[in-house]
Amino acid sequence: DAKTTQPPSMDCAEGRAANLPCNHSTISGNEYVYWYRQIHSQGPQYIIHGLKNNETNEMASLIITEDRKSSTLILPHATLRDTAVYYCIVRVATGGTSYGKLTFGQGTILTVHP
Amino acid sequence: EPEVTQTPSHQVTQMGQEVILRCVPISNHLYFYWYRQILGQKVEFLVSFYNNEISEKSEIFDDQFSVERPDGSNFTLKIRSTKLEDSAMYFCASRKEVEGNQPQHFGDGTRLSIL
Repeated sequence: DAKTTQPPSMDCAEGRAANLPCNHSTISGNEYVYWYRQIHSQGPQYIIHGLKNNETNEMASLIITEDRKSSTLILPHATLRDTAVYYCIVRVATGGTSYGKLTFGQGTILTVHP
Repeated sequence: EPEVTQTPSHQVTQMGQEVILRCVPISNHLYFYWYRQILGQKVEFLVSFYNNEISEKSEIFDDQFSVERPDGSNFTLKIRSTKLEDSAMYFCASRKEVEGNQPQHFGDGTRLSIL
């Protein structure tokens, strides 16, 4: 699975949009981009994923560049409860010899302040 | 919303003892995983499990580790003879599909402390 690069930390003011970047320049055509977050040693929480189109759900939006070498997770109105470590992970869809394991990096520590 | 549940939330065990960590995956999910996170370190994959067989395991998952789905609802991780370095958070995850891009969903983990 392709390697990802994320900034180690970011700050965001409460109520503002948090834009978390991820670089995955070696991504291959069949790899998806997944975002998870981990709040204070709880289990990783799934946020969103996509292949090449932008995606939005009730938690966040995912913007993937046209060349798919980078992506941005957007939390539109960050709250104090969004303070967490955010992980960007790329992997192929499960099937064949791919069994779905996730490879976590260090992630980005997002701190939302009042 | 259905969720993965893990018990106990905290387990304290003497070194050399056996420990079993329990997970109840989301009910219609077919694929199951264990991960661990040593304090201050990354979340690491241990094993994936489907159709009552291990499908993939990491180098961490040595002969001291085993997994089992003893009935239709539980998924367990057993460590046969615990070592100090097994102290970590252990997370169970499950996903619905056998194939495809659907995400895994994680439980809140068991904190294992080896004394």
